[in-house]
Amino acid sequence: EIVLTQSPTTMAASPGEKVTLTCLASSSVNYIYWYQQKSSASPKLLIYYTSSLASGVPDRFSGSGSGTSYSLTISSMEAEDAAIYYCLQLTSTPTFGGGTKLELK
Amino acid sequence: EVQLVESGGGLVQPGRSLKLSCAASGFTFSNYYMAWVRQAPTKGLEWVASITNSGGSTYYRDSVKGRFTISRDNAKSTLYLQMDSLRSEDTATYYCTRDRILRSWGQGVMVTVSS
Repeated sequence: EIVLTQSPTTMAASPGEKVTLTCLASSSVNYIYWYQQKSSASPKLLIYYTSSLASGVPDRFSGSGSGTSYSLTISSMEAEDAAIYYCLQLTSTPTFGGGTKLELK
Repeated sequence: EVQLVESGGGLVQPGRSLKLSCAASGFTFSNYYMAWVRQAPTKGLEWVASITNSGGSTYYRDSVKGRFTISRDNAKSTLYLQMDSLRSEDTATYYCTRDRILRSWGQGVMVTVSS
């Protein structure tokens, strides 16, 4: 099983601040997918195939990476971005990272 | 608009069974790979099972193999998850999701396994 390790576990960012979340895979994966989960809501797809923006997602979100190291970047933090972010790999049996909780400072 | 509506959750004793349903609308159900993902209280996301668009192939996480069965009725646009021999560690919110990259999610249904 491929283990995905997300860091940091928790962080806080001020409005306008650039935010970078990371996802490290225990083995090389083809792509990473990013999901956002607010409060008690269902998760929402943000980024697919590592760097493609899902429909309706603001372009302040971007994804990058390859092999075992991936990142999700928010170019300018907004209040509505406070949420938990999960990465997912589908190269082998699907596994999620443990999540990063992003709070508004 | 894509809609996925789960039902069938509730409180069940360890060792008993429960069957979840997911009614799909707003898209051609038979064209899509579907999956179940769960989230234990205050925990992260965990993939449970997937099924191809025809229903011909199914996939499971190890901890549910032999206990859970994913199936679909394309004529009814409905996805199912039959859960047998339930354990306390199966307690979670179960989400129905669409396509291989989990592009759409239902609102989730809570399953509590407790005596």
